[in-house]
Amino acid sequence: AQSVSQHNHHVILSEAASLELGCNYSYGGTVNLFWYVQYPGQHLQLLLKYFSGDPLVKGIKGFEAEFIKSKFSFNLRKPSVQWSDTAEYFCAVNADNAGNMLTFGGGTRLMVKP
Amino acid sequence: DGGITQSPKYLFRKEGQNVTLSCEQNLNHDAMYWYRQDPGQGLRLIYYSQIVNDFQKGDIAEGYSVSREKKESFPLTVTSAQKNPTAFYLCASSKGQGEAWSTEAFFGQGTRLTVV
Repeated sequence: AQSVSQHNHHVILSEAASLELGCNYSYGGTVNLFWYVQYPGQHLQLLLKYFSGDPLVKGIKGFEAEFIKSKFSFNLRKPSVQWSDTAEYFCAVNADNAGNMLTFGGGTRLMVKP
Repeated sequence: DGGITQSPKYLFRKEGQNVTLSCEQNLNHDAMYWYRQDPGQGLRLIYYSQIVNDFQKGDIAEGYSVSREKKESFPLTVTSAQKNPTAFYLCASSKGQGEAWSTEAFFGQGTRLTVV
C-alpha cells in the first residue's frame, strides 16, 4: 500500500516569507497528486492537483507545486505568505492501482504571524 | 447549490452507545468515503463505497459500520466496539472510477464526535 509523508508537522512564518511544504509518497507507478487546505473552522478545499503534463502546477491563492517523479515528491510552495494562509495543509495521492482512493499525509499546520 | 452535507456538526455520545453520522451529497457522485481526522495523523480511511449497495473497509474499519442504500447517502455508525471514537469525522465524495479528474474528492464540513 502506498504511503504519504509530510515532514513538517508545524511551520511558523512571518508574513511575506516564502513557504515550501514537503510531500513524499511511496508508490512507484502512475499517480495523481493533490494538495488540500483546511482553514480554521472550514471544510477541506482543493488547492491544486496534478494528473499529467507540466509538472509545475498552479493552484488557487498563489500556491504552486512541483511534481518530481525521480524524488517521489510533490512539494507545495508560495513565494510570499499572508496571515490568511494560516491553515492545515494535506498532501494526498491516488495511485493507479488503487481505483479512486486517496491516501493522505499527516498534515502540516501552518501559522503565519502578522 | 451542490455539495456534501454532514450532520450533526457536534455530537456527544455516552460510552457504550452506538451513534450514526449522516452524510448526504447532491453532486451525483458515485463514490463516497468516510475519514477520521486526528491531530498529527492526517485523514485515515474508515469505509468507502464505489457504487450503491456496495462498500469496502478502509484502513481503520474496526468498530464502524456503513450502508449505501441510496446514491446520495452514506451514513456511518460508530459502534460501542470502537475503542477510541472521539475524533473529527469527514465525509467525502468523488465522481468515481474513470478519468484521472474523477479522483478529486469533495469534502463535507465534518462532525466532531465526543464520547462523554
